[in-house]
Amino acid sequence: DTEVTQTPKHLVMGMTNKKSLKCEQHMGHRAMYWYKQKAKKPPELMFVYSYEKLSINESVPSRFSPECPNSSLLNLHLHALQPEDSALYLCASSQGQGASSTEAFFGQGTRLTVV
Amino acid sequence: AQSVTQLDSQVPVFEEAPVELRCNYSSSVSVYLFWYVQYPNQGLQLLLKYLSGSTLVKGINGFEAEFNKSQTSFHLRKPSVHISDTAEYFCAVIKMDTGRRALTFGSGTRLQVQP
Repeated sequence: DTEVTQTPKHLVMGMTNKKSLKCEQHMGHRAMYWYKQKAKKPPELMFVYSYEKLSINESVPSRFSPECPNSSLLNLHLHALQPEDSALYLCASSQGQGASSTEAFFGQGTRLTVV
Repeated sequence: AQSVTQLDSQVPVFEEAPVELRCNYSSSVSVYLFWYVQYPNQGLQLLLKYLSGSTLVKGINGFEAEFNKSQTSFHLRKPSVHISDTAEYFCAVIKMDTGRRALTFGSGTRLQVQP
């Protein structure tokens, strides 16, 4: 199983809503990532979890709150988003962050629209 | 400072013709280099990667890339493209001088294969 599963695939939310994006992998990977991708742009790193601990936060606004409940799950909690936060949110995982474990597997993404 | 530069935003090519997608990186330290492909409304899939060793790397779907340290390049090639290769291609790098073992992507190249 080399799959990273993201739910939901599509999400429309208002600026006052609270929602969560979910990501799951069963490859035994110990590093998990959230990327944000705007239309016609490359993915931009938001957060990295390594062994369930937040290791990188790329100065993301606090209206985005990541959570890693266990080694297989990664959540992204959303609150009070702005229309400019509309994007494709990609989750990825890799074995770790060492030299031999650099291949990242990506999920299909959640297409988020903030209205 | 831009770590990865993809010089061509779009590359139109006829079916069965060869193609080269260019990627240059900037780094004074060792890097790992990757090419990912993204089909419309999909996540990213790894085509190939260079970690060390042979500078010619073969990947999936008939793609290959050559690491050139002196020219700081990692161009992607395919001798004969198919319609199904139409997609967005991202070059990415991991710099080994920091603990930031996460992918940094180039701006992407849209490969448009025409019949």
